[in-house]
Amino acid sequence: QVQLVESGGGVVQPGRSLRLSCAASGFIFSNYAFHWVRQAPGKGLEWVSIVSDDGSNKVYGDSVRGRFTISRDNSRNMVYLQMNGLRVEDSAIYYCAKDRYGSGGTPHWWGQGTLVTVSS
Amino acid sequence: QSALTQPPSASGSPGQSVTISCTGTSSDVGGYNFVSWYQLHPGEAPKLLIYEINKRPSGVPERFSGSKSGNTASLTVSGLRAEDEADYFCYSFAGSTYVFGTGTKVTVL
Repeated sequence: QVQLVESGGGVVQPGRSLRLSCAASGFIFSNYAFHWVRQAPGKGLEWVSIVSDDGSNKVYGDSVRGRFTISRDNSRNMVYLQMNGLRVEDSAIYYCAKDRYGSGGTPHWWGQGTLVTVSS
Repeated sequence: QSALTQPPSASGSPGQSVTISCTGTSSDVGGYNFVSWYQLHPGEAPKLLIYEINKRPSGVPERFSGSKSGNTASLTVSGLRAEDEADYFCYSFAGSTYVFGTGTKVTVL
């Protein structure tokens, strides 16, 4: 069955960097796009980024563009989110989600998330 | 990209129906068929309930249905059950990015 496991979260000071990872299994990884979505404490869901099936197309939300970089390794079934210049407002649970399609459209299966806390 | 607008809360008794609205613009909800709905229980991963306006993934009960009219999408939960008490978020493609709704907390009375 589809399994997505995020890792890499933790406590980090403002301005520092963190890299999140998402390990995927149970399906043909290279056929699907992946999203990162976050949920700040007590807040709603916020879409962060998407990478297409072959990694050629990457799009970012306004609040992270220029600071975050999404990538994938189809040989290792892994998706990454490099987060630079972290801000207090980036504190959230970060979810990795597998799309229904290769080019994107609908996050379908989600991992359990990894918590990122940005604090001095 | 502004979040789609949902009512903060909705409620109903067991067996009743509740409908949640999701209002966007012609640049998101009104312009595309990539409109989805997600259910969130505390401490659990979000669950896809409806995709492409009105399609249900395998395993989602027929009690959950979706529709769209103009710039507003709707999720209807029929035959409310205790386990339906959760947060619900709509989601839409917005041209190149994606946007979620503000979220609705559904309470089963």
